[in-house]
Amino acid sequence: DVKVTQSSRYLVKRTGEKVFLECVQDMDHENMFWYRQDPGLGLRLIYFSYDVKMKEKGDIPEGYSVSREKKERFSLILESASTNQTSMYLCASRAHIVFYEQYFGPGTRLTVT
Amino acid sequence: AQTVTQSQPEMSVQEAETVTLSCTYDTSESDYYLFWYKQPPSRQMILVIRQEAYKQQNATENRFSVNFQKAAKSFSLKISDSQLGDAAMYFCAYRGNSGNTPLVFGKGTRLSVIA
Repeated sequence: DVKVTQSSRYLVKRTGEKVFLECVQDMDHENMFWYRQDPGLGLRLIYFSYDVKMKEKGDIPEGYSVSREKKERFSLILESASTNQTSMYLCASRAHIVFYEQYFGPGTRLTVT
Repeated sequence: AQTVTQSQPEMSVQEAETVTLSCTYDTSESDYYLFWYKQPPSRQMILVIRQEAYKQQNATENRFSVNFQKAAKSFSLKISDSQLGDAAMYFCAYRGNSGNTPLVFGKGTRLSVIA
C-alpha cells in the first residue's frame, strides 16, 4: 500500500511563528504536491516538486516556501504564519507516469491564532 | 490555463438510488486525463475513477461510472445503488499529457446519502 504521511493532523500556531509541515511518501514517487483546501474553494495548489531540490510555484505560493532535500520528503514552510493561513493542508505524491494515481496524505488542519 | 467547474456545491440522494455529479472543464489540449476523487469526512482523499481522453468508452468501476463527452468537455460521475458510505466530497480533476503536470481540481460537490 502506498502511504503518504503528514507530520501532524492538527496544529495550532500563533501569528508570526515559523511553521513546518512535513510530508513523507514511501513509494519512490518523483512528484510531490502541497495543496490548501478551504470550503467553497476546493483544492488549490501551493507548490509542487518533480525531483529532489526542484520546486515549482502553484496557484497560491505567496507566504509559503518548500524544501525537498530527499526524494521521499517534501516540506511546506510558513515563514511567518498569519491568520489567513488557517486551513487544511494536503500533501500528495505521484509517479512521473502521467496516468498514474495521485495519492494523498490525511491532511493537517492548521489554525493560526 | 485549464479550468474545472463543478456546478453543484451540494447534492443528496436516497440510499439505493442513482445520482449524477456534473463536471465540465476547459482545455485546448487534445490528449489529457480526467479523474474523480472522493474525500469522506475526516478521511483521506482517494481515487474513484479515471478516464483517458483518447478512449471513447466510458470508464466504470463497480457502482461508479462516468459519462465522458469530449466535444462538450463534460465528465459526469454516476453513482448507482447509493450507499451510506458514498457520503463524501467529490472532486473532479484534470491533468494534461505531461508527467509533471499537476492536477487541476474543481471546487467539489458534497454528496449526502439519506437512509
